[in-house]
Amino acid sequence: SQQGEEDPQALSIQEGENATMNCSYKTSINNLQWYRQNSGRGLVHLILIRSNEREKHSGRLRVTLDTSKKSSSLLITASRAADTASYFCATDTGTASKLTFGTGTRLQVTL
Amino acid sequence: DTGVSQDPRHKITKRGQNVTFRCDPISEHNRLYWYRQTLGQGPEFLTYFQNEAQLEKSRLLSDRFSAERPKGSFSTLEIQRTEQGDSAMYLCASTARSSYNEQFFGPGTRLTVL
Repeated sequence: SQQGEEDPQALSIQEGENATMNCSYKTSINNLQWYRQNSGRGLVHLILIRSNEREKHSGRLRVTLDTSKKSSSLLITASRAADTASYFCATDTGTASKLTFGTGTRLQVTL
Repeated sequence: DTGVSQDPRHKITKRGQNVTFRCDPISEHNRLYWYRQTLGQGPEFLTYFQNEAQLEKSRLLSDRFSAERPKGSFSTLEIQRTEQGDSAMYLCASTARSSYNEQFFGPGTRLTVL
């Protein structure tokens, strides 16, 4: 079963704009991760944020985590056409535990 | 290439046939996971190995599914008597003992059952 949902389900923006996608989850977590998936391909790990962290940056990516609201957001700044993909959040409840994924946001970046 | 590899990348089979998929994790990773992803959904957990021990299995893993990791390196996932509902992308991931559980995924095996 899915842990939660990403919002929006689909997002279309122009190159150079920022893209923000949100993830909500249902249970207490240890870590939250974001992954990118190009159509029909495997998942690429983007960033991991631990439950005791509130914000994390990696290049053009900024992730926030609000454990009181059980939600996270992924911001991609200065988007590029190559960012076109589906983005998934995934949570775990321990260091060695399985990941539980959301339903994904499909991002389309147009020139 | 030192990433997770999966073989085959695509498999088309007829209903009732058995299929086997292979996953080679990143070499120093001791934990290996199998997930299944259907169209438009996020991946769902199937099973997990730490070294050669299978430590957790999902209720999705019916008795037609079996997974092994005999020497703690590569893993195989077998589906017996395939059904059309087994059509999906089967993803393998691995992670290191020392990590915070960053799981690195292979390219997946897409199974189509006719």
